[in-house]
Amino acid sequence: KAGVTQTPRYLIKTRGQQVTLSCSPISGHRSVSWYQQTPGQGLQFLFEYFSETQRNKGNFPGRFSGRQFSNSRSEMNVSTLELGDSALYLCASSGGQPNTEAFFGQGTRLTVV
Amino acid sequence: QQPVQSPQAVILREGEDAVINCSSSKALYSVHWYRQKHGEAPVFLMILLKGGEQKGHDKISASFNEKKQQSSLYLTASQLSYSGTYFCGTGLGGSQGNLIFGKGTKLSVKP
Repeated sequence: KAGVTQTPRYLIKTRGQQVTLSCSPISGHRSVSWYQQTPGQGLQFLFEYFSETQRNKGNFPGRFSGRQFSNSRSEMNVSTLELGDSALYLCASSGGQPNTEAFFGQGTRLTVV
Repeated sequence: QQPVQSPQAVILREGEDAVINCSSSKALYSVHWYRQKHGEAPVFLMILLKGGEQKGHDKISASFNEKKQQSSLYLTASQLSYSGTYFCGTGLGGSQGNLIFGKGTKLSVKP
């Protein structure tokens, strides 16, 4: 069974640009959650999508958005990039039922210069 | 509200024991534990639910004190492979996406 795939693995962007990250969940999983990981801050929840609908949202500005397609693949978009957006962005997939195991992808390392 | 993990870091010798704590200022429905090795994705260890149910790793034990809104992860007879950063995620009910993770505890096991 293939794991969670995130693309690209590494990305360098300039301040003010926008970026789109992709996450393909495990086959059959309908829930995809996105997290931002920075040194010292742990994993900060961005949002969760389930069956193409945003089900939960964390405390991030509106520059961070996402969507989910009918095949459960999800994309995350960050507009007007800031230096502080440099981070590892992780997505996690699960079946979507409460309190079940989540499977994380390897992440996309975004560097904003 | 982000849960607070303690200690922030711990160094052990192989065979020693460690306890990692996770506490929240809010009432908890569940606590989830993950381990992340350097350069790798976080990996699921365990879920502890209100009411005492646990799901997860056979070789790792944990407790969940609902009244104190705390959980502890017990690592006994540590092995080199236990090294990594441990995160607790607290659930307030509802879906997986409602997990709020702590800042992590970095565990280093030395030979």
